[in-house]
Amino acid sequence: GENVEQHPSTLSVQEGDSAVIKCTYSDSASNYFPWYKQELGKRPQLIIDIRSNVGEKKDQRIAVTLNKTAKHFSLHITETQPEDSAVYFCAASKRYSSASKIIFGSGTRLSIRP
Amino acid sequence: NAGVTQTPKFQVLKTGQSMTLQCAQDMNHNSMYWYRQDPGMGLRLIYYSASEGTTDKGEVPNGYNVSRLNKREFSLRLESAAPSQTSVYFCASSGQGVFGYTFGSGTRLTVV
Repeated sequence: GENVEQHPSTLSVQEGDSAVIKCTYSDSASNYFPWYKQELGKRPQLIIDIRSNVGEKKDQRIAVTLNKTAKHFSLHITETQPEDSAVYFCAASKRYSSASKIIFGSGTRLSIRP
Repeated sequence: NAGVTQTPKFQVLKTGQSMTLQCAQDMNHNSMYWYRQDPGMGLRLIYYSASEGTTDKGEVPNGYNVSRLNKREFSLRLESAAPSQTSVYFCASSGQGVFGYTFGSGTRLTVV
């Protein structure tokens, strides 16, 4: 089955700097790659996603890139702010017409230093 | 505007006791999922239901059973709780054409 590896497990950056989180996946048939943000004590929330027919997607300060050949995808956060502090999860799935069984990475705890 | 509702929010069980975690969604989603979240291990899929009347095992199904009661409700049962099942449990749902999940607020379960 699918396996998703995520690095680093913790990341501390100065406010205003950029943060990058990297993931790899094992199943070449995976075609959907969401990213979730989880604040302390809260539920995971979808922040951005990318499908396999796209190499890059951007939403304001957040961008995701996908390299299908290498089976790598990354989350980039620019101009980091205190509210970006959270745990971020990458994930992968084979999305067809039925259930998208999403497999998650182990998470990255991002801390923004003032 | 409830989305995905989980009950209870907190529960303490003794080893060997049984309980059922309830999940209901009001978004007319076809698919529902149960995950557990342990520190440093992310979210691991326990069981899922692609549509009403179907259920399938995920990554860590041992010790659990599920029931898709109808399109709205998907319950998770622990028949004989063990300390290793201490975790935060999240229910989620997704619909046709909706790629991402909507998560419930979670159930924090402690087995002593």
